[in-house]
Amino acid sequence: NAGVTQTPKFQVLKTGQSMTLQCAQDMNHEYMSWYRQDPGMGLRLIHYSVGAGITDQGEVPNGYNVSRSTTEDFPLRLLSAAPSQTSVYFCASSYGISGANVLTFGAGSRLTVL
Amino acid sequence: DQQVKQNSPSLSVQEGRISILNCDYTNSMFDYFLWYKKYPAEGPTFLISISSIKDKNEDGRFTVFLNKSAKHLSLHIVPSQPGDSAVYFCAASATDSWGKLQFGAGTQVVVTP
Repeated sequence: NAGVTQTPKFQVLKTGQSMTLQCAQDMNHEYMSWYRQDPGMGLRLIHYSVGAGITDQGEVPNGYNVSRSTTEDFPLRLLSAAPSQTSVYFCASSYGISGANVLTFGAGSRLTVL
Repeated sequence: DQQVKQNSPSLSVQEGRISILNCDYTNSMFDYFLWYKKYPAEGPTFLISISSIKDKNEDGRFTVFLNKSAKHLSLHIVPSQPGDSAVYFCAASATDSWGKLQFGAGTQVVVTP
């Protein structure tokens, strides 16, 4: 099983450029989410989705858009990249929305904004 | 304002000894706590969890202790092995939080021979 697949693994952008981080899971998980990891900050939730067609904001949603047209895919869009968005991004999924549900993470996408 | 805090950014321990990682939280609504382990260039992977109705959960070399009155939990690794060298994240969630996790900043564990 592939689990959670993120692409690209690395990306360098210039300020103001846009891009989409892709995330796909093959476990038929209803819940998907995006986190960013920054030094000294741990992982912070950007956006999440509890099923196809349903998304909501997390702790740090500004500058990011998401959509969930299928159960499998949950892309994260940066509309106009800023240096503050330099980070490592992780997509995660789980079977349900209970706090007891364990998240399965992708390998991460390292983004640098110049 | 971080609701989950790991105040030790790093921990060095000798192989075979005990590693103790600490985590404090401020939100009394948290009722489920998890530890994730992360190797470089990989995503975090689940290690062990505990519900607020328990005060201890054990899985092989890993034991998590929860002290609700102190809003404190700890992860014990006994005995520590070189493969345990990684970053460990503490995370917490509340029943009505729609699966959203609050993570601590992480503790880098280095196990030396």
